[in-house]
Amino acid sequence: GESVGLHLPTLSVQEGDNSIINCAYSNSASDYFIWYKQESGKGPQFIIDIRSNMDKRQGQRVTVLLNKTVKHLSLQIAATQPGDSAVYFCAERLPPGGATNKLIFGTGTLLAVQP
Amino acid sequence: DTAVSQTPKYLVTQMGNDKSIKCEQNLGHDTMYWYKQDSKKFLKIMFSYNNKELIINETVPNRFSPKSPDKAHLNLHINSLELGDSAVYFCASSPPGWQGGEQFFGPGTRLTVL
Repeated sequence: GESVGLHLPTLSVQEGDNSIINCAYSNSASDYFIWYKQESGKGPQFIIDIRSNMDKRQGQRVTVLLNKTVKHLSLQIAATQPGDSAVYFCAERLPPGGATNKLIFGTGTLLAVQP
Repeated sequence: DTAVSQTPKYLVTQMGNDKSIKCEQNLGHDTMYWYKQDSKKFLKIMFSYNNKELIINETVPNRFSPKSPDKAHLNLHINSLELGDSAVYFCASSPPGWQGGEQFFGPGTRLTVL
């Protein structure tokens, strides 16, 4: 299950299970959303993105769902593997984008995959 | 080939010193960024440059000064370092326009101020 500890919220799952990481964003005018994965000692890596005119987008083993009504974003990872263990960040972008491509990051969720 | 590179990877220094972190991207992107990640993993933008022009300047002490000699490089100079500056600093870049959503991050520079 999901819990809020002293630091990052942590989601602990068994290998092979599906994972769902949730994110609440702050601005209803945000036009673009993105999920990043950050492994220990590395920089954030792009996973998947979605524009505000969509409510679902699928990648390889990952799906992002966007609910603009409640300003909620989720990342679903199918058949979670030990290599998926990392901190996951959602980020929103306020318009107008382009040269002012400012991403506002959420607090991050630590995904711990148990073998 | 590394897309976004930063040097050094680790930087340990005394309070009051001045230090620089360098960033280079070989992706041909127009826009580059500096982020600070604190001990709680919170990632916050500090600056962005588009084609050597400052675009985003968040509420950052003026001891921090970015410099972009060309659009492939964005360096960060920090004067009079303080304990609270200890963090991991990430450089990132992105293409222009609507494509500019995804930002490509470097490996980070862990700064420790003693």
